[in-house]
Amino acid sequence: GENVEQHPSTLSVQEGDSAVIKCTYSDSASNYFPWYKQELGKRPQLIIDIRSNVGEKKDQRIAVTLNKTAKHFSLHITETQPEDSAVYFCAYLTRGQGNLIFGKGTKLSVKP
Amino acid sequence: DSGVTQTPKHLITATGQRVTLRCSPRSGDLSVYWYQQSLDQGLQFLIQYYNGEERAKGNILERFSAQQFPDLHSELNLSSLELGDSALYFCASSDSLGGELFFGEGSRLTVL
Repeated sequence: GENVEQHPSTLSVQEGDSAVIKCTYSDSASNYFPWYKQELGKRPQLIIDIRSNVGEKKDQRIAVTLNKTAKHFSLHITETQPEDSAVYFCAYLTRGQGNLIFGKGTKLSVKP
Repeated sequence: DSGVTQTPKHLITATGQRVTLRCSPRSGDLSVYWYQQSLDQGLQFLIQYYNGEERAKGNILERFSAQQFPDLHSELNLSSLELGDSALYFCASSDSLGGELFFGEGSRLTVL
């Protein structure tokens, strides 16, 4: 069925270090892969997304890479800051129905 | 402010009861999605509507139902409530199928 595996479930890094979160999806027909950030007590918000016609996309300190053959994509955050602390969700778009399936989330803690 | 409005923000009720959660999408958005977020769980997709029609169904229990009205607002009805239904229920909207989702602040349901 429709599923996306996200790892790790928790990640703790020192300020200034890099953080990487990985997701593997099941729908080989999917062509849209967004990442959402949810701060404590807040709503999820889109931070970056990638479509299947590119392998990498970058926006300042965050980047996403996509490997369609292996059906996995990753979020990379460089020079982490305390305000990056949040839960990050990967997702993919189901091609047939057009809804987003989310991973279980990664709780990132950035220690000053 | 995402432009998506959810009411009520908090709701406490007893087992066996029925509640209705309401969502007003962003102006112009035709798609409305409902997600359930339980403690330490990701965003579980429940149901999607597009311009008044049900578009996709996820892991929505038979005790739950939803609809989207002509003015595009949506309601999620939860009946015969159980303790395990306690969760944060998010509504999201988008202007197209497969576009960015804009989430509301959520409705926190507590079943005692």
